[in-house]
Amino acid sequence: KAGVTQTPRYLIKTRGQQVTLSCSPISGHRSVSWYQQTPGQGLQFLFEYFSETQRNKGNFPGRFSGRQFSNSRSEMNVSTLELGDSALYLCASSLYASVKNEKLFFGSGTQLSVL
Amino acid sequence: AQSVTQLGSHVSVSEGALVLLRCNYSSSVPPYLFWYVQYPNQGLQLLLKYTTGATLVKGINGFEAEFKKSETSFHLTKPSAHMSDAAEYFCAVSVYGGSQGNLIFGKGTKLSVKP
Repeated sequence: KAGVTQTPRYLIKTRGQQVTLSCSPISGHRSVSWYQQTPGQGLQFLFEYFSETQRNKGNFPGRFSGRQFSNSRSEMNVSTLELGDSALYLCASSLYASVKNEKLFFGSGTQLSVL
Repeated sequence: AQSVTQLGSHVSVSEGALVLLRCNYSSSVPPYLFWYVQYPNQGLQLLLKYTTGATLVKGINGFEAEFKKSETSFHLTKPSAHMSDAAEYFCAVSVYGGSQGNLIFGKGTKLSVKP
């Protein structure tokens, strides 16, 4: 069974641009979560989607948005990029949503650099 | 509110030596606890998890962790380090949705293994 696939693997953008990242979960998984990882802040939760509905949202500005499609694939979008948005963006999938002992399967991430 | 503290951002051990990575948690309810490992340029992979029952949890690659409620700790150990164990390790506590998502991660501990 294929793992979580994130594309692209690397991305370089300039300030003010927008970017779209893609995540394909493990087949059969319906929940997709997004995390931002930086050396200073560590792993911070962005949002979670389940069955095309946003279940939870982290404390990020409205420039960060996401969606989930009927095949469970998810995209996240960042508009008006800032230097501080440079980070590794990780996607994780699981069978269910908001279950306390649910195991998350992570993709390798998209490394975004904002110049 | 739940939180996780990992003591030591960097730990260095010699090959064959004991690995001990410390994690303390704060939780108002019985916690579900996890250890994840991240190898360079990869996503996170689950090492082990504690839900209920036996307090000594065995994971992959020879790692284990002991849940100690009285000390609010969930330290990760491995009797003998291998070069391949060099990676970053994250302790996490499960929460039920909300703005922090389903998992709150510690800041991580980078493990170096010297030959």
